[in-house]
Amino acid sequence: AQSVAQPEDQVNVAEGNPLTVKCTYSVSGNPYLFWYVQYPNRGLQFLLKYITGDNLVKGSYGFEAEFNKSQTSFHLKKPSALVSDSALYFCAAEYNFNKFYFGSGTKLNVKP
Amino acid sequence: GAGVSQTPSNKVTEKGKYVELRCDPISGHTALYWYRQSLGQGPEFLIYFQGTGAADDSGLPNDRFFAVRPEGSVSTLKIQRTERGDSAVYLCASSPGENEQFFGPGTRLTVL
Repeated sequence: AQSVAQPEDQVNVAEGNPLTVKCTYSVSGNPYLFWYVQYPNRGLQFLLKYITGDNLVKGSYGFEAEFNKSQTSFHLKKPSALVSDSALYFCAAEYNFNKFYFGSGTKLNVKP
Repeated sequence: GAGVSQTPSNKVTEKGKYVELRCDPISGHTALYWYRQSLGQGPEFLIYFQGTGAADDSGLPNDRFFAVRPEGSVSTLKIQRTERGDSAVYLCASSPGENEQFFGPGTRLTVL
């Protein structure tokens, strides 16, 4: 069955340090992969997507994600975290045309 | 420009009652999605519209749930005989058809 896993409920990082938020997906076809961010009392906002091509995808607000087919992972990264990056992050996969599966979310806490 | 809007923002109802949740997508977006997000979980796919037709309703949990999009724009999610387990945030998203979804702020449904 198609699924997306985010193994960490929470990630804590100091401002200025690099951050990684992990995501793995089940192997079933070649899904498109996405990252979304959710700020309190606001809707999910698109960050970036991987469709095909270069395994390193760059997105909004300085975020990037690395697609690794052998490890079935799509980890979100940022070289230098900001306090304003603190939010809830969701990984998602599109397996069938326009049917999306979301992970359970990872809360990112960036401390000054 | 205007984003996806959802009304009401909050809905409190009693067990057994009928509720309607409305979604106004971004103008011109042909695809529309409904998701349900329970506390501590990621969005769970319910139904996807392409134009006026429900292209995929496999995520609707049972026949108490129904959604329409009669003119290919506004959509209404209808829940009959509500149960306490239906309490969640119901999210709507629209897309111009290029994988990226634009989410509304959600409707928080509480069934007492």
